[in-house]
Amino acid sequence: EPEVTQTPSHQVTQMGQEVILRCVPISNHLYFYWYRQILGQKVEFLVSFYNNEISEKSEIFDDQFSVERPDGSNFTLKIRSTKLEDSAMYFCASTGWRTVNEKLFFGSGTQLSVL
Amino acid sequence: AQSVTQLDSQVPVFEEAPVELRCNYSSSVSVYLFWYVQYPNQGLQLLLKYLSGSTLVESINGFEAEFNKSQTSFHLRKPSVHISDTAEYFCAVSARGTGGFKTIFGAGTRLFVKA
Repeated sequence: EPEVTQTPSHQVTQMGQEVILRCVPISNHLYFYWYRQILGQKVEFLVSFYNNEISEKSEIFDDQFSVERPDGSNFTLKIRSTKLEDSAMYFCASTGWRTVNEKLFFGSGTQLSVL
Repeated sequence: AQSVTQLDSQVPVFEEAPVELRCNYSSSVSVYLFWYVQYPNQGLQLLLKYLSGSTLVESINGFEAEFNKSQTSFHLRKPSVHISDTAEYFCAVSARGTGGFKTIFGAGTRLFVKA
């Protein structure tokens, strides 16, 4: 089965620094998502992206966050000035037109640690 | 807006015993229901889904879930668990909102199977 790929698997950064989390969705997919999971807590929706624009975003996704699909294959999440509370596992997901009702395909996640 | 409630944060059970992980949802529109599993140090994987049709859905590894519209529930069951079933299980609801489809996750239930 095709996979969503996320890099890096672990990212350590200093508070206030910018980080970019990278995702390569499945090639023919059209809908893209970022979720995060703070240790021991629920998986939280951050943002959905379709047709090169944000479809919906949560309250968590404030001005410090941005997403981009720069080259038609990568889907990135940028945090401009990281805070301690941004430490979490970030999951990228994608789905296609045929499967949009059926399932999300998740990457293995990027563990972000803000020191 | 939709929401998901998983009533049990942890469920310890002995090997070969039956288990039920509870999930209730609320939504003002028609929803699609999912169970995802997260094994230690791994990403989220789809376990089973309800889209339409038969209210009882099954996975390839012996889990089943029943959609109960009147009780707004989608409980996950397995008649005999294995050590390898130890994982975090997330109930999820997907519905179309103003920004397209969005999937919301419950807080998760940690299933711990003991020998």
